[in-house]
Amino acid sequence: GNSVTQMEGPVTLSEEAFLTINCTYTATGYPSLFWYVQYPGEGLQLLLKATKADDKGSNKGFEATYRKETTSFHLEKGSVQVSDSAVYFCALIISNFGNEKLTFGTGTRLTIIP
Amino acid sequence: DTGVSQDPRHKITKRGQNVTFRCDPISEHNRLYWYRQTLGQGPEFLTYFQNEAQLEKSRLLSDRFSAERPKGSFSTLEIQRTEQGDSAMYLCASSSKGPASGNTIYFGEGSWLTVV
Repeated sequence: GNSVTQMEGPVTLSEEAFLTINCTYTATGYPSLFWYVQYPGEGLQLLLKATKADDKGSNKGFEATYRKETTSFHLEKGSVQVSDSAVYFCALIISNFGNEKLTFGTGTRLTIIP
Repeated sequence: DTGVSQDPRHKITKRGQNVTFRCDPISEHNRLYWYRQTLGQGPEFLTYFQNEAQLEKSRLLSDRFSAERPKGSFSTLEIQRTEQGDSAMYLCASSSKGPASGNTIYFGEGSWLTVV
């Protein structure tokens, strides 16, 4: 089956530190990959995405590269801010016609301290 | 606010009672999804509608669960004879195109259910 494995949290960093949240996947087909973020008291928001191997998704200073050879989609940011504190979810979907089901990882809680 | 809205945001119910959650998707989105999220886990797919047709149901959706989208607009998720294991956040999402090609789906803030 399809699954997503994320780095366990919680992760606590100081402001301006470098962030990496690891994500690896197993998939029976050819997936598209996503990072979603959930800020306190809010719903899930799409942060970035990549639909084919070697694509790099980026948004708000975050980046993730779709690595087919290592089945990974690690999230990185060069300098985190307090406002980045949230729960981050890696997710995949198999790009078959009619498939609408996202498979999520368990989430990684990130706390940035000033 | 033109996002996905869910109601109620929080519900506490006694075991054995029925509960119903409502989701209003973004206007003109023909696709609507329900997911369930338990503490410390990621969201799990429950079911999906395209317009009023329910096209896929997860095995997680036991016969105590029923979802409807009668006019292809808002949707309801009903849980009958609730059990403590039903305690979770129920997330609704909508989109105009499916996510398989990287299209964005938009999530609501969720409805928290606590069964006591």
